[in-house]
Amino acid sequence: NAGVTQTPKFRVLKTGQSMTLLCAQDMNHEYMYWYRQDPGMGLRLIHYSVGEGTTAKGEVPDGYNVSRLKKQNFLLGLESAAPSQTSVYFCASSYSAAMGETQYFGPGTRLLVL
Amino acid sequence: KQEVTQIPAALSVPEGENLVLNCSFTDSAIYNLQWFRQDPGKGLTSLLLIQSSQREQTSGRLNASLDKSSGRSTLYIAASQPGDSATYLCAVSGGGADGLTFGKGTHLIIQP
Repeated sequence: NAGVTQTPKFRVLKTGQSMTLLCAQDMNHEYMYWYRQDPGMGLRLIHYSVGEGTTAKGEVPDGYNVSRLKKQNFLLGLESAAPSQTSVYFCASSYSAAMGETQYFGPGTRLLVL
Repeated sequence: KQEVTQIPAALSVPEGENLVLNCSFTDSAIYNLQWFRQDPGKGLTSLLLIQSSQREQTSGRLNASLDKSSGRSTLYIAASQPGDSATYLCAVSGGGADGLTFGKGTHLIIQP
C-alpha cells in the first residue's frame, strides 16, 4: 500500500515551458487535491476533484489546469511556467469530505522555474 | 474568508519540557480541525483530527483541544523529545469538498 505518490520529486523548468505533475493514490479515495506551499504563505489549495471526471477551482487556480480521467490519478498541468510558480506542490486525497475524514498527503514535488 | 493563525511561528525548548502550540481561526463554522506534522523536505502527516462536536483528542503524548466558539485550538506535547522537532501545521475544514485552510505553522526545535 503506497498511499499517495507524486511524480516527479524535483524539476527545473525555464519560463514558458510546460509540464505535468502526476499524483496517484491506491486507497480508492474519491476526493483529491492539489496544494502549493510557499515560504510565509502556508499551504494553499489550487484545484480539487470530488470524483472521476470532475474538477473544481480552489483558492489559487490561475496558471494551472487539472484532469481526473481515472479515479486513482490527479494530474496538475502548467501550460506556460512562470517564476511565480516556483513552489512545493503537494497532492492529497480523502475518502470523503465527512467530518471525521482526514486527508492523506504525498511527499511533494519541488518545482523551480527559472 | 477563513483565516488560520498559528502562534508562535518558531519555538525552541530543551528536551523533556511540556509545551503548547496555539492555533486560532476566524470563522467558527468549521467541520473539523486537524493538526499535521511536517518534517523537512517531506509531506504532511496527520496527528490528530477533532470533529466540530468534540472538545479534544489524544494520541500518546499529544493532546489537542478545540474551542469552536472562541475560534481556538491548542496542541499540547508532553515530555518533548528531539524526535518531536518538526513543523506543526493546523488546518480547518469548512465542511465542503474544497479542501483545508492551513495556518503557516510552528517550527519546533527540541534541544537534546
